[in-house]
Amino acid sequence: SQTIHQWPATLVQPVGSPLSLECTVEGTSNPNLYWYRQAAGRGLQLLFYSVGIGQISSEVPQNLSASRPQDRQFILSSKKLLLSDSGFYLCAWTYAGLAGAYEQYFGPGTRLTVT
Amino acid sequence: SQKIEQNSEALNIQEGKTATLTCNYTNYSPAYLQWYRQDPGRGPVFLLLIRENEKEKRKERLKVTFDTTLKQSLFHITASQPADSATYLCALGAGSYQLTFGKGTKLSVIP
Repeated sequence: SQTIHQWPATLVQPVGSPLSLECTVEGTSNPNLYWYRQAAGRGLQLLFYSVGIGQISSEVPQNLSASRPQDRQFILSSKKLLLSDSGFYLCAWTYAGLAGAYEQYFGPGTRLTVT
Repeated sequence: SQKIEQNSEALNIQEGKTATLTCNYTNYSPAYLQWYRQDPGRGPVFLLLIRENEKEKRKERLKVTFDTTLKQSLFHITASQPADSATYLCALGAGSYQLTFGKGTKLSVIP
């Protein structure tokens, strides 16, 4: 069966510090991968998605970046955090190339607080 | 721009009753619509998918309708239980594997 991992679970970082969040998927190959942010009172905001190694699409211009160094690894980074980066970060995956299978499977999330 | 509205931020319902949640959208022609459940501090969990050519989909106590003319989906939970208390998200997709999510409706089922 497939599983998705995210770490860390919680993180408190000062403004201006760097960030690295990691997501890995097990039990599937060549998934589409996604990073979302969920801020208080707001919906899920798609930040990045990837259809393959090294292929990243950005949905929202900001001080965050994403990388996919391996097929089932997705990393979210920042060089300098802003207060507005606080939120609940979720990684998700979906099957690629399988017609009709569009549901997304989410990880447990990382709660980021920028102080 | 695309807009998805889940009409109620919060909905309280008595145990045993049917809960009905609404998802409306504008400036969008989705190929499918999905519903997810999210518990506090957890990631969303997929519940149901309904395609544009389907009117209704059922899964156990859950029923989803999709009216592309009204640009609306209704999500029903029959015989609701306190364990159904959670936030429910609707999401629209147009075939590119990307979803656009609503803000969610927080359902509380009162014993």
